[in-house]
Amino acid sequence: DGGITQSPKYLFRKEGQNVTLSCEQNLNHDAMYWYRQDPGQGLRLIYYSQIVNDFQKGDIAEGYSVSREKKESFPLTVTSAQKNPTAFYLCASSIEGVQPQHFGDGTRLSIL
Amino acid sequence: QKEVEQNSGPLSVPEGAIASLNCTYSDRVSQSFFWYRQYSGKSPELIMSIYSNGDKEDGRFTAQLNKASQYVSLLIRDSQPSDSATYLCAVNPVGIQGAQKLVFGQGTRLTINP
Repeated sequence: DGGITQSPKYLFRKEGQNVTLSCEQNLNHDAMYWYRQDPGQGLRLIYYSQIVNDFQKGDIAEGYSVSREKKESFPLTVTSAQKNPTAFYLCASSIEGVQPQHFGDGTRLSIL
Repeated sequence: QKEVEQNSGPLSVPEGAIASLNCTYSDRVSQSFFWYRQYSGKSPELIMSIYSNGDKEDGRFTAQLNKASQYVSLLIRDSQPSDSATYLCAVNPVGIQGAQKLVFGQGTRLTINP
């Protein structure tokens, strides 16, 4: 069954701690994305990657980092520099040159 | 002006009626437009894509695009309680192949009353 897997479903971060959110897809999609959603709000783009070993900042990249070492994987690290990390984080992917984007089930991050 | 604007609602519609959701966008060269449905606590699910002016129908859903007026709408016929959700409008602001950034509106919360 093809799809996008995000883990964990819930994550808690302590002060000063970096945490990493996992996103894996087996759809053979070239492009992958990370979004943040705050309550009652739309999605805001954090980072995106169109090919392996390359990625671009989105609208709210400060305090976050990513890597794209494999086509299937696009992990997001929420660093201690991100002072307000509590949100619903969504990973998405799409076929290069063809839209639209499909989403994983999301990870809810909270501060302890 | 926001790139993509939606009325946040809530929009309340009686069961069986037509629900009409609207979205305006600011970038005139936008090429691709999408409607996503998001149930509370869940991730967005694509329900419609539209790329050219006019109407596109899929079951009870119809997407309407008017590039001259820069708006896209979603009609839901014979509304059901299961249609109660937040509907997100998404626009590709540039339309350059490969540059697949999407800009999302804040979403319209729709409630279907039995």
